[in-house]
Amino acid sequence: GAGVSQSPSNKVTEKGKDVELRCDPISGHTALYWYRQSLGQGLEFLIYFQGNSAPDKSGLPSDRFSAERTGGSVSTLTIQRTQQEDSAVYLCASEASGGPGKNIQYFGAGTRLSVL
Amino acid sequence: SQKIEQNSEALNIQEGKTATLTCNYTNYSPAYLQWYRQDPGRGPVFLLLIRENEKEKRKERLKVTFDTTLKQSLFHITASQPADSATYLCALSLGSGNTGKLIFGQGTTLQVKP
Repeated sequence: GAGVSQSPSNKVTEKGKDVELRCDPISGHTALYWYRQSLGQGLEFLIYFQGNSAPDKSGLPSDRFSAERTGGSVSTLTIQRTQQEDSAVYLCASEASGGPGKNIQYFGAGTRLSVL
Repeated sequence: SQKIEQNSEALNIQEGKTATLTCNYTNYSPAYLQWYRQDPGRGPVFLLLIRENEKEKRKERLKVTFDTTLKQSLFHITASQPADSATYLCALSLGSGNTGKLIFGQGTTLQVKP
């Protein structure tokens, strides 16, 4: 695709429900990142996938958060038993493994999650 | 503790002037530093990358400096235009062994007035 695509763009859920957020990276990009951005704050790293390597999950805030990346392409971030403090914009980025795009992360527009 | 800080207050300047944004960090040894632009409701867009062994990088009206002794990067926009109004984020990468994950500052909002 032309860019990183995220869906849904907005998600409103009730406290305690599970949510799934989807990310379609740029075709051919081997690295994929998830970040969280709370209102007025910078981006907070959540998780990183690189090819077939084990993901770096060091940024996940609790065991309610998990992510997978199927076939080295699409990724899903799942939040179980959502809490109000989970409300934020969840951003996905992808990165090429080499060439002029290496070390540059291309972001999607994000999913705005609101937990009521 | 490790921190990365940007001007917390919005920066308001007149069109045509040079905007200078600051990024300071403590207790990191970044391999490189990046600047991104973020517009409301959009994801960040990459602008410039500068490595630890580089002092200055330029791209069109943009200039970035990186002082690893002062632990500071300055981001300049010359001949600023109202279209430059946005939030600018600096981000550090610790390099190999730390994946490519970026550590972001909270951003500085720039408003360029015609």
